[in-house]
Amino acid sequence: QSVLTQPPSVSAAPGQKVTISCSGSSSNIGNNFVSWYQQLPGTAPKLLIYDNNKRPSGIPDRFSGSKSGTSATLGITGLQTGDEADYYCGTWDNNLSAALFGGGTKVTVL
Amino acid sequence: EVQLVESGGGLVKPGEFLRLSCAASGFTFSGYSMNWVRQAPGKGLEWVSSISSSSSYIFYADSVKGRFTISRENGKNSLYLQMNSLRDDDTAVYYCARGPFIAVTGPNWFDLWGQGTLLTVSS
Repeated sequence: QSVLTQPPSVSAAPGQKVTISCSGSSSNIGNNFVSWYQQLPGTAPKLLIYDNNKRPSGIPDRFSGSKSGTSATLGITGLQTGDEADYYCGTWDNNLSAALFGGGTKVTVL
Repeated sequence: EVQLVESGGGLVKPGEFLRLSCAASGFTFSGYSMNWVRQAPGKGLEWVSSISSSSSYIFYADSVKGRFTISRENGKNSLYLQMNSLRDDDTAVYYCARGPFIAVTGPNWFDLWGQGTLLTVSS
């Protein structure tokens, strides 16, 4: 079981919005920045969000991140078939002295 | 081109050893922490190890501590992972990933990933 908890799957129709939650604790999300990654089938992960809500160059503003307390959320608006992928949250854990990833959430476009 | 290219994966038997390499290009290698992240077949991402830009700070996942050693050569723009006493559950695609400056605490993000190299541990 991952220390960071994500829902296994979410789905929505094209053009709609999905949100993916990532729940942790005070030793990780509560006191560190959160990042989000997209992994398309058969490819390496790609950074979508860093420092809770910042987008690297080239990432469309359809992707957004937020954090409140010990939880973080990734939002995807204007859902496209190309967004079908696994999404992971990540952060550092001060007690474990380890980087953590959530278990991953599969996004399906209906 | 900014990229990371891993090499060195393969098929080994339990108890054997292997060294992975990661060649960096297109950016100032010595300005970033470097990391190894693995993904077992059909599973999620698992962080393995991180090394700071000057090699002063090194972190390991409990699952590999004492068996794996991370190192880097800034003059060669290269990252390494020496893996000893390999076990079946080390089977995974191993990704090299670039991270931010780290010191007392480790990386919060990984912004550049290689394509991965597959390690299979099986008798």
